[in-house]
Amino acid sequence: DVKVTQSSRYLVKRTGEKVFLECVQDMDHENMFWYRQDPGLGLRLIYFSYDVKMKEKGDIPEGYSVSREKKERFSLILESASTNQTSMYLCASSPSQVSYNEQFFGPGTRLTVL
Amino acid sequence: GESVGLHLPTLSVQEGDNSIINCAYSNSASDYFIWYKQESGKGPQFIIDIRSNMDKRQGQRVTVLLNKTVKHLSLQIAATQPGDSAVYFCAENAGKSTFGDGTTLTVKP
Repeated sequence: DVKVTQSSRYLVKRTGEKVFLECVQDMDHENMFWYRQDPGLGLRLIYFSYDVKMKEKGDIPEGYSVSREKKERFSLILESASTNQTSMYLCASSPSQVSYNEQFFGPGTRLTVL
Repeated sequence: GESVGLHLPTLSVQEGDNSIINCAYSNSASDYFIWYKQESGKGPQFIIDIRSNMDKRQGQRVTVLLNKTVKHLSLQIAATQPGDSAVYFCAENAGKSTFGDGTTLTVKP
């Protein structure tokens, strides 16, 4: 079974802190994604990566950055956390951009910024 | 821009009834669609998919219908059970997917 794990289920940080959210997948997938999920807004894509050291902006990249130094790991970084970044963050992976494949999601990290 | 939307944010059905969840999409070039189920406290999980060269696909108790003419797809759940209570998302394309907002299905015993 594909497994996508996220470093924390719940996280509480203060405004201005630098926040790291880690995601690891164990199935050698090329593609990895970071979403945030908010009531009434659905899933919105923050950043994605099709390969190691490669990143592409999604629909709402402002205030975020990412790092993919290894194929299995995709990190989301909040350089200076703000209260409007309080949200559920979901990481996902999929095998390849050229074939038809669903995304496999992690359990999510609920981040609260005070 | 592209958008995917679900017709109803909530749906309540009686246990044993059939459920129908609808989704509209805007990108006529979309060629692959997926339905996900998200249970409380978990990430979305794949239910069923369909390619644009098909108009119907069946799984175990679930059927997806695709109408490319009106850019609409639906998820039908037969004999809905309490364990089907969740948020259901449709998504288009395979790489950088665009997700709908989700429909919350509640199954009443």
